[in-house]
Amino acid sequence: AQSVTQLGSHVSVSEGALVLLRCNYSSSVPPYLFWYVQYPNQGLQLLLKYTTGATLVKGINGFEAEFKKSETSFHLTKPSAHMSDAAEYFCAVTVNTGFQKLVFGTGTRLLVSP
Amino acid sequence: NAGVTQTPKFQVLKTGQSMTLQCAQDMNHEYMSWYRQDPGMGLRLIHYSVGAGITDQGEVPNGYNVSRSTTEDFPLRLLSAAPSQTSVYFCASRGEGNSPLHFGNGTRLTVT
Repeated sequence: AQSVTQLGSHVSVSEGALVLLRCNYSSSVPPYLFWYVQYPNQGLQLLLKYTTGATLVKGINGFEAEFKKSETSFHLTKPSAHMSDAAEYFCAVTVNTGFQKLVFGTGTRLLVSP
Repeated sequence: NAGVTQTPKFQVLKTGQSMTLQCAQDMNHEYMSWYRQDPGMGLRLIHYSVGAGITDQGEVPNGYNVSRSTTEDFPLRLLSAAPSQTSVYFCASRGEGNSPLHFGNGTRLTVT
């Protein structure tokens, strides 16, 4: 069965600093990988996804992630943090082409200080 | 376009009571699902449906029932609530192919 591990339940950065949120996956077959963001008292929104093709994936709000098969990783980055990026971020994986069973990580809360 | 609508937003139950969490989507999505979110555990899939009349179990189905009589609606039933079911519940739907999940804003359930 597939799974994801998100290292660090909380990450703190200063406004303007690099954001790096880590995600490692486990899957016996090629995975499909996703990053979602959750703002307070809201549902989750898709940031970006990797299905096939280019391993560097660009998403909304300036975020991007790189699929590295050799490292089984899909880390999320943003060159310069903004106060509005403060939220909880979830990495997710599925191996089902119908995306029927999406398995989420435990989440990383990003704190951005002025 | 309302998207995915969940009701109620908040609910308090006593142990042993039953209730139904409602979920409706207006995007004509075939796939719908229910997740629960608990601190430090992320989101876990309870049940899902790939179309009217078709449902299947997810990761944590015990204590929950679902049915899918229409494309639009996918209610989640708790037949006998337990404190372990205190959680935030999210309904999500998606269209065909590689389209993303659309989430509702959640129902916060407390069982005392």
